[in-house]
Amino acid sequence: DAKTTQPTSMDCAEGRAANLPCNHSTISGNEYVYWYRQIHSQGPQYIIHGLKNNETNEMASLIITEDRKSSTLILPHATLRDTAVYYCIVRVSRAAGNKLTFGGGTRVLVKP
Amino acid sequence: KAGVTQTPRYLIKTRGQQVTLSCSPISGHRSVSWYQQTPGQGLQFLFEYFSETQRNKGNFPGRFSGRQFSNSRSEMNVSTLELGDSALYLCASSLAQGGSTEAFFGQGTRLTVV
Repeated sequence: DAKTTQPTSMDCAEGRAANLPCNHSTISGNEYVYWYRQIHSQGPQYIIHGLKNNETNEMASLIITEDRKSSTLILPHATLRDTAVYYCIVRVSRAAGNKLTFGGGTRVLVKP
Repeated sequence: KAGVTQTPRYLIKTRGQQVTLSCSPISGHRSVSWYQQTPGQGLQFLFEYFSETQRNKGNFPGRFSGRQFSNSRSEMNVSTLELGDSALYLCASSLAQGGSTEAFFGQGTRLTVV
């Protein structure tokens, strides 16, 4: 699976949009971009994933560049409960195999 | 719909002992994966089971093993515990029926080896 690069940490003001970047310059054509987050002492939580097109759900939006070498997770209105470590993962989706390779992630601190 | 359930939540064991952790996946999910999380190494993949067969394995010693039952429930076992095995052990389940499938994680079992 392709390697990802994320900033180590970032702060965000409560109520503002949080934009989390992720570089995945070696991504292959059949690899999806997944985002998970982990709130302290809990298991990781799935947020969103995409292949080529931008995606949006009730939690966040995912913007993938046209060349697919980078993406941005957008939390539209950050709340204090969004403070967590956010992981960007790229992986091949196939029926045989659900291994996730986690990097260091971005530690996001939402401040009042 | 119930989430992924891991038991026990906390465990303290002595070096040299063995331990068994349990994971009940979301109903209907056939894939169960296990991860180890430590402050130094982060989240690392241990292994994945699908329909009672191990189909992916991470880079861990043979002391770490697992199995999956016909009802998709899974157990992992660590034998001859070492201090370095102290970690949060996480289980994740997914439908694993082609296409892009997300994994749902349990709350984890925090193992302390003394």
